[in-house]
Amino acid sequence: AQTVTQSQPEMSVQEAETVTLSCTYDTSESNYYLFWYKQPPSRQMILVIRQEAYKQQNATENRFSVNFQKAAKSFSLKISDSQLGDTAMYFCAFMAPRSSNTGKLIFGQGTTLQVKP
Amino acid sequence: EPEVTQTPSHQVTQMGQEVILRCVPISNHLYFYWYRQILGQKVEFLVSFYNNEISEKSEIFDDQFSVERPDGSNFTLKIRSTKLEDSAMYFCASTLGYNEQFFGPGTRLTVL
Repeated sequence: AQTVTQSQPEMSVQEAETVTLSCTYDTSESNYYLFWYKQPPSRQMILVIRQEAYKQQNATENRFSVNFQKAAKSFSLKISDSQLGDTAMYFCAFMAPRSSNTGKLIFGQGTTLQVKP
Repeated sequence: EPEVTQTPSHQVTQMGQEVILRCVPISNHLYFYWYRQILGQKVEFLVSFYNNEISEKSEIFDDQFSVERPDGSNFTLKIRSTKLEDSAMYFCASTLGYNEQFFGPGTRLTVL
């Protein structure tokens, strides 16, 4: 069974600085997708970034980038130039199409990020 | 921009009562999901639905739960006899395929 682990329950960063959130996962699949979702206080789930396992290039979306280490089964999220609006809970999620032909997401426990002014 | 909608935003019910949570997925999507998040905990998969039938369900999704897509647009989650431990945020999500799932804003269920 696949598992996703986020070992940092809480983190804080000063506005305009850079922060990295960690995520590790366990799977025997070779083809899968990884996601970072943001959940602000409104509790809406918002996709931040997506990475396909077959792609060696790390995904980037504006201030958000990932460090995908397939051999180490690690998928960290880097937020550059942190903004107050980045304050939220961040969830790492995994999806393996072959073992779960429904595409269900498996989530980590979440990391609460606070951006301080 | 199309979005997933959910109603109600907050439902309060007495233990043992039936509740129906409603979702309208994005219109051209094919796969539909319900997830649950107990306050302060991680988001957990409940059930997936494709081609008008359940394609996968978790251990949480026992006989008290059911899903339906009655009219081709709505996607509902029914809990027949609610328990205190059903209190949680329930998220509906939809996707066209094996890529981004779009989440609704959630329904907060409080069981008293």
